Amino acid sequence: DSGVTQTPKHLITATGQRVTLRCSPRSGDLSVYWYQQSLDQGLQFLIQYYNGEERAKGNILERFSAQQFPDLHSELNLSSLELGDSALYFCASSVEGGTRLRSDKNIQYFGAGTRLSVL
Amino acid sequence: GQNIDQPTEMTATEGAIVQINCTYQTSGFNGLFWYQQHAGEAPTFLSYNVLDGLEEKGRFSSFLSRSKGYSYLLLKELQMKDSASYLCAVNDYKLSFGAGTTVTVRA
Repeated sequence: DSGVTQTPKHLITATGQRVTLRCSPRSGDLSVYWYQQSLDQGLQFLIQYYNGEERAKGNILERFSAQQFPDLHSELNLSSLELGDSALYFCASSVEGGTRLRSDKNIQYFGAGTRLSVL
Repeated sequence: GQNIDQPTEMTATEGAIVQINCTYQTSGFNGLFWYQQHAGEAPTFLSYNVLDGLEEKGRFSSFLSRSKGYSYLLLKELQMKDSASYLCAVNDYKLSFGAGTTVTVRA
């Protein structure tokens, strides 16, 4: 158990709908990252938050948004869902935001993921 | 941008040794990670190299050469449970993952 909690584990919805995925980081971790992994695809970085503020953006669609709350949990909102959005969505957390030089505090620990199926 | 290359698949026999290579070209570098991922599960952290050289952790070792943009993960005394995808990831102040190497361990 990595200590990162993601809910729900599975989500089945229809095209055009909106869903919210939730992530609670490990105790003491300030940074949260969201990744998408489609079938037979690698992990694609979506977005990072550090202590409540957006730190870095990757290949995140405009239909997707995220935020990190004062208690450091994070939510990823996916709207106007399309069939191609079906994927595993992982959240990861680390103590620091990845910029501290040569530090184990950059290590990211992953949650079990949310499997999203858009029908 | 990031360019991280690793072989797609490798097969080895139980008890053997397998070496998974990873080459990278990134605009910045703040460490290289190796993760293990079983199908449908979360990636789990294996190793973190920041300085050149070899890091050993039990049956797993990882090597880094920053000047060559090269790393490898060495898996010794392979067990059936080591059948998984192994992901190389470079920390360029955000983590960029390679596509992963699927290792199949045969009896």
